[in-house]
Amino acid sequence: DADVTQTPRNRITKTGKRIMLECSQTKGHDRMYWYRQDPGLGLRLIYYSFDVKDINKGEISDGYSVSRQAQAKFSLSLESAIPNQTALYFCATSDLASAGNEQFFGPGTRLTVL
Amino acid sequence: EDQVTQSPEALRLQEGESSSLNCSYTVSGLRGLFWYRQDPGKGPEFLFTLYSAGEEKEKERLKATLTKKESFLHITAPKPEDSATYLCAVDTTDSWGKLQFGAGTQVVVTP
Repeated sequence: DADVTQTPRNRITKTGKRIMLECSQTKGHDRMYWYRQDPGLGLRLIYYSFDVKDINKGEISDGYSVSRQAQAKFSLSLESAIPNQTALYFCATSDLASAGNEQFFGPGTRLTVL
Repeated sequence: EDQVTQSPEALRLQEGESSSLNCSYTVSGLRGLFWYRQDPGKGPEFLFTLYSAGEEKEKERLKATLTKKESFLHITAPKPEDSATYLCAVDTTDSWGKLQFGAGTQVVVTP
């Protein structure tokens, strides 16, 4: 079983709709992250959470919100989706106790906003 | 401002033709440099962490090295299954816990 899972894996929606992407992990890690990936732009950080009570904005948080429901669950919401939010979205986790802060990624959600 | 630049953007290799990918960085203080492999439509897969200049790590046909300004990922005698996009990322003293990624190098290995 995958350590980091994301649902849904693919989603097509329309402009103005509210969308929630979910991430769950069984790695027992404290830290969780949401990224988006666009061709030629690499991975960009949207939000991150170092524990259940800690939520922080990344470099491109406008238009997004998050919820850390438990240590193992971190959800990303698009309150009113727009076409330029069409992208691959990845959740990642890392272990506070790790010296290296390696991040481990989920399989991704491909989101298309029409 | 911290910067991470990968080159080349794309690399096409014949099977068995060794080559190197470059990741140059300008950061205030490096805590760690990471290499990932990403297959199309999938999440990045962790390969290596390097902490200090002079450090080297190997995994099968891949070897990562680090200097004070850049890191190289050497691919020795590549096989078609090594085709992927390779990403590097840095963790710095100013943004501990957050990684900054380069745009990646897309590698295609043909038989």
